[in-house]
Amino acid sequence: TQLLKQSPQFLSIQEGENLTVYCNSSSVFSSLQWYRQEPGEGPVLLVTVVTGGEVKKLKRLTFQFGDARKDSSLHITAAQTGDTGLYLCAGVYNFNKFYFGSGTKLNVKP
Amino acid sequence: ETGVTQTPRHLVMGMTNKKSLKCEQHLGHNAMYWYKQSAKKPLELMFVYSLEERVENNSVPSRFSPECPNSSHLFLHLHTLQPEDSALYLCASSQTASGDSYEQYFGPGTRLTVT
Repeated sequence: TQLLKQSPQFLSIQEGENLTVYCNSSSVFSSLQWYRQEPGEGPVLLVTVVTGGEVKKLKRLTFQFGDARKDSSLHITAAQTGDTGLYLCAGVYNFNKFYFGSGTKLNVKP
Repeated sequence: ETGVTQTPRHLVMGMTNKKSLKCEQHLGHNAMYWYKQSAKKPLELMFVYSLEERVENNSVPSRFSPECPNSSHLFLHLHTLQPEDSALYLCASSQTASGDSYEQYFGPGTRLTVT
């Protein structure tokens, strides 16, 4: 059973388009993180959100933590080919359990 | 060296071989992790060490044997592996292994192929 479900699994878009990736759970998480992983490399931390309703921006990326701390979204504005990669959400559950979602594979075409 | 380093980056081994993967973190963290990532499955947590003590072992076969001699180094000893063990093995570290928010920092991984 996957505690964190990500959707969509795959996304292929043209450069310049906007997109949103979702991370959902039926459980409450005390914090949630987003990572990006490029082929053959380890995941790189993008952001951590800890407060319900929190919104964080990182250049063209906007991250939101749901009010009930059960879900999160990542929105990319005007996608670039350099945004291509696997996007992973991960959350801290029950104080010492760390779970990763299954990931969204994004391909941005020139 | 900065961050989390892993060696080797690539490893090909036969099913009867014995090899070890090495991970080193230069972040002053107290917790270290081994993950397995294969093409068809999401990241699978294998082992967690906190202050050199193993705190989690997720039903990993005994052919994988971790070792944490100090808080900066983590090893994964491999013996009599199966072809289905071929995967990217990732090491990560974090300041702690508990709390409301602890962020993990990953190494580049070791791409393991078992022939």
